Amino acid sequence: TQLLEQSPQFLSIQEGENLTVYCNSSSVFSSLQWYRQEPGEGPVLLVTVVTGGEVKKLKRLTFQFGDARKDSSLHITAAQPGDTGLYLCAGASNNNDMRFGAGTRLTVKP
Amino acid sequence: GAGVSQTPSNKVTEKGKYVELRCDPISGHTALYWYRQSLGQGPEFLIYFQGTGAADDSGLPNDRFFAVRPEGSVSTLKIQRTERGDSAVYLCASSSDRVGAGANVLTFGAGSRLTVL
Repeated sequence: TQLLEQSPQFLSIQEGENLTVYCNSSSVFSSLQWYRQEPGEGPVLLVTVVTGGEVKKLKRLTFQFGDARKDSSLHITAAQPGDTGLYLCAGASNNNDMRFGAGTRLTVKP
Repeated sequence: GAGVSQTPSNKVTEKGKYVELRCDPISGHTALYWYRQSLGQGPEFLIYFQGTGAADDSGLPNDRFFAVRPEGSVSTLKIQRTERGDSAVYLCASSSDRVGAGANVLTFGAGSRLTVL
């Protein structure tokens, strides 16, 4: 059983479309991070959110942390083929463990 | 070093053999994490070191798995009597301090792909 549930599991869209992926849990996290992973490589950090209700923007990516610090979303505007990859959310608990969701595999077609 | 280094990058072994996977974290990083990632899945937590000690080993699947970090830098993940189900990519990550409300970053290595025949 995953501590963090990510949806959708797979997403295939055309270049230029917008999308949102979700990360949900019944647990409260001290912080939540989003990573992107490409084949043959380790995950690379995109953003960390710490405060409930926090919104962070990174170019075309918008990250939101839920008010209760149990869930998060990642919205991508005008997706590009270079956005293709596995998007992972990871939650940090007070004992400093970092647990990952199963990920959303995004494919952006040109 | 400049990044997290993992060796070997690929390991093929036979069922029942012993395997060691090495992780060389970023110099000065006190926290080190091991994860296992199966195809199409997210990283599954195995063990977390703070310095030389295992702060949390609750993710190790059974007593065939063991990890050490004797000097607080390099870590070795050891798997005894390997089984086909152990086949996966084993990822190592390090962090400059505890990950939590301080929002430190996990830097991952490229992983060691283990295949048990």
